[in-house]
Amino acid sequence: GESVGLHLPTLSVQEGDNSIINCAYSNSASDYFIWYKQESGKGPQFIIDIRSNMDKRQGQRVTVLLNKTVKHLSLQIAATQPGDSAVYFCAETNDMRFGAGTRLTVKP
Amino acid sequence: SQTIHQWPATLVQPVGSPLSLECTVEGTSNPNLYWYRQAAGRGLQLLFYSVGIGQISSEVPQNLSASRPQDRQFILSSKKLLLSDSGFYLCAWSVLGTGGRTFGSGTRLTVV
Repeated sequence: GESVGLHLPTLSVQEGDNSIINCAYSNSASDYFIWYKQESGKGPQFIIDIRSNMDKRQGQRVTVLLNKTVKHLSLQIAATQPGDSAVYFCAETNDMRFGAGTRLTVKP
Repeated sequence: SQTIHQWPATLVQPVGSPLSLECTVEGTSNPNLYWYRQAAGRGLQLLFYSVGIGQISSEVPQNLSASRPQDRQFILSSKKLLLSDSGFYLCAWSVLGTGGRTFGSGTRLTVV
């Protein structure tokens, strides 16, 4: 079946820099996407979501961009902090499967 | 508000022993329930999902089984654990029509 996948397995950034985590999906009928953050030893937690009738949505320090033409979405984290270090998953909610995730490491 | 409880947080079991992990959801009715497994450094693998009492769908053939004896209770079991059953097990729920899943805190299972 179709599934959501990630471009990069790891990302390392300096504290204070902006981070961009990318995700590709294959189901062109997908209409709702979620980004999750998973800290070590914990379950994934909801960060932000976006519906397919939008191409951008902003939260607190996070922005999700959706490009339906190329079936790509990204998570941008502004002024990355050490507490942002975690694995980030994107999920297309019609599919109960997740990609491998991207591990974000923030260097002080 | 809705909450999800999963226990125990950690578990060390010998090969060949049985397993029972329990997950309960509060504050909602007729949720979709899910069991995922996560190997170290890997993504989430869907094991089972349930859309109602007694309704279980299995995603991958394995040494595990799931049951839903009550609307908000989901149990992951094994009769005889294998070393390969070690991993981080996560329970999650969602409401039909929304898609987004809320996860429990997970159980770290080590089979020795």
